[in-house]
Amino acid sequence: GAGVSQSPRYKVAKRGQDVALRCDPISGHVSLFWYQQALGQGPEFLTYFQNEAQLDKSGLPSDRFFAERPEGSVSTLKIQRTQQEDSAVYLCASSLQAGGTGTQYFGPGTRLLVL
Amino acid sequence: AQSVSQHNHHVILSEAASLELGCNYSYGGTVNLFWYVQYPGQHLQLLLKYFSGDPLVKGIKGFEAEFIKSKFSFNLRKPSVQWSDTAEYFCAVNPGGATNKLIFGTGTLLAVQP
Repeated sequence: GAGVSQSPRYKVAKRGQDVALRCDPISGHVSLFWYQQALGQGPEFLTYFQNEAQLDKSGLPSDRFFAERPEGSVSTLKIQRTQQEDSAVYLCASSLQAGGTGTQYFGPGTRLLVL
Repeated sequence: AQSVSQHNHHVILSEAASLELGCNYSYGGTVNLFWYVQYPGQHLQLLLKYFSGDPLVKGIKGFEAEFIKSKFSFNLRKPSVQWSDTAEYFCAVNPGGATNKLIFGTGTLLAVQP
């Protein structure tokens, strides 16, 4: 069946531009996560949704980062006034369950380069 | 600071060699443990996971991992690697409690030579 999809796959932005990254989770999955993966590092947690509720945004690095999931399905991660340090792969994952024991299924990621 | 450590950043093995990748974590209490793999050009995918019960868990493709609570470790093993096991391997911990997030290690890049 269809997995988690993300778009765009690659994004080049000039410093100061706003970007929006989209995640389509597996249909019916309750939980949705965003992670940021810098080069040579493991993914780092950004934020978590349970259906449309954003229950944890402790990993968002600044108030320039904003995420939403208004209908409990598709999610968008928005970065305002992008900086060079925002360059990374942004991963979306979804899980059928609401708890921490569920398998998280990852998308291919969006590779963001800020010039 | 609480963290997940993978001490081997790069590992090079010949086919049929045995593999053990180390993972240590610093979270107390009940944790949920995972190993994910990323093959070249592919998504992160789950290899295996441990929540409770038998501390030796078996995953896909002949991989297994052993949870040793006293050592805060969850090492990944495979008796005989194949060229197709070339990938990056990530250990991850869900610290339990109210959080559902995964805390990842920095990854181990495994290259298997034919």
